[in-house]
Amino acid sequence: EDQVTQSPEALRLQEGESSSLNCSYTVSGLRGLFWYRQDPGKGPEFLFTLYSAGEEKEKERLKATLTKKESFLHITAPKPEDSATYLCAVQGSGSARQLTFGSGTQLTVLP
Amino acid sequence: DTGVSQDPRHKITKRGQNVTFRCDPISEHNRLYWYRQTLGQGPEFLTYFQNEAQLEKSRLLSDRFSAERPKGSFSTLEIQRTEQGDSAMYLCASRAEGTEAFFGQGTRLTVV
Repeated sequence: EDQVTQSPEALRLQEGESSSLNCSYTVSGLRGLFWYRQDPGKGPEFLFTLYSAGEEKEKERLKATLTKKESFLHITAPKPEDSATYLCAVQGSGSARQLTFGSGTQLTVLP
Repeated sequence: DTGVSQDPRHKITKRGQNVTFRCDPISEHNRLYWYRQTLGQGPEFLTYFQNEAQLEKSRLLSDRFSAERPKGSFSTLEIQRTEQGDSAMYLCASRAEGTEAFFGQGTRLTVV
């Protein structure tokens, strides 16, 4: 059974204070690891897909990296508008290619 | 295209009533998923359609839940005899082959 564990559960940062979110996973035949951002009362918004260990992707202040056991989402010089819940999900080799999500990290960036 | 659309956004129902939610996927996406999300948790897979065929259902999906996707376009999710434990956000996602999934804004169900 695919499993995803995210840490920390919640993170409070001052504006400009860089940090990283962790996503540990176990999956049978990784097809992809996904990061989504979710604002309160909204659906998840796609950020990145990573397919193999060593891969990195960047978008504005966010950078996602992948190893064989975990992924990190690095946030550089965050702004208050980066406040959201960040969800990590894996797509295994099951026929439906459904996503298995972690519980998320709730990020708050204080001005 | 404006993305995945879900209706209604919010639904309050009394315990024991039936409810139905609708999802309109991105038009060129032939794969459609339903997920359920409770407070403080990540979305949990419920069921999957490829075109009009329902190909997979979660073992966690009660018999009170049924989903359809007639003609491979929009999809509906029905919950019969709702229970308080059904209160959650119901999310629909769609994707094309080999691409990431895009989610709708969800339907928030409250069972009182």
